[in-house]
Amino acid sequence: EAGVAQSPRYKIIEKRQSVAFWCNPISGHATLYWYQQILGQGPKLLIQFQNNGVVDDSQLPKDRFSAERLKGVDSTLKIQPAKLEDSAVYLCASSLDLWGENTEAFFGQGTRLTVV
Amino acid sequence: QQQVKQSPQSLIVQKGGISIINCAYENTAFDYFPWYQQFPGKGPALLIAIRPDVSEKKEGRFTISFNKSAKQFSLHIMDSQPGDSATYFCAASINQAGTALIFGKGTTLSVSS
Repeated sequence: EAGVAQSPRYKIIEKRQSVAFWCNPISGHATLYWYQQILGQGPKLLIQFQNNGVVDDSQLPKDRFSAERLKGVDSTLKIQPAKLEDSAVYLCASSLDLWGENTEAFFGQGTRLTVV
Repeated sequence: QQQVKQSPQSLIVQKGGISIINCAYENTAFDYFPWYQQFPGKGPALLIAIRPDVSEKKEGRFTISFNKSAKQFSLHIMDSQPGDSATYFCAASINQAGTALIFGKGTTLSVSS
């Protein structure tokens, strides 16, 4: 079974530029998550999708961050404009479903973003 | 109330020793408590998980102990090996409500040979 695919692996941009990250979850997984992991900290949820609908985006800085999962499969996270404090690893995860026994979250390798 | 507090921040253990990492939570609605292991340059991977209807769960050398009244849970790694050197995160969620995982800040474990 293929894992969660993310691209690019690394990205360096200047502040105020825009950047986009892509995630392809495990086939058949209805739930998709984007997490931000700042160096030395645990992952922090940015947004949670169930199929193509948003379940939780309460911690997404909506003035600069946006995410979509239009066809309920792959997803894109965008930052525009980027700030220095956005430097982090952006992790995508997926799970079979939202609840019950099918909620194990499988993580991709992440995209390391450096804003200079 | 949504926090999960993890300690210690870092841990050095001799090969063959026991590694113990602790987590505490406030939200009594949490009903799913996994531990994730993360190696440098990789995403977190599920190690072991427990639900509050049991006080202990063991898988190989890894054991979760859960104390519902104290709102604490811990990870024990028996016979620690150099290959266990990684960062460990506890997490919690309200599984019956479909909420996403809230992670602790992580513990960096180094097992010396």
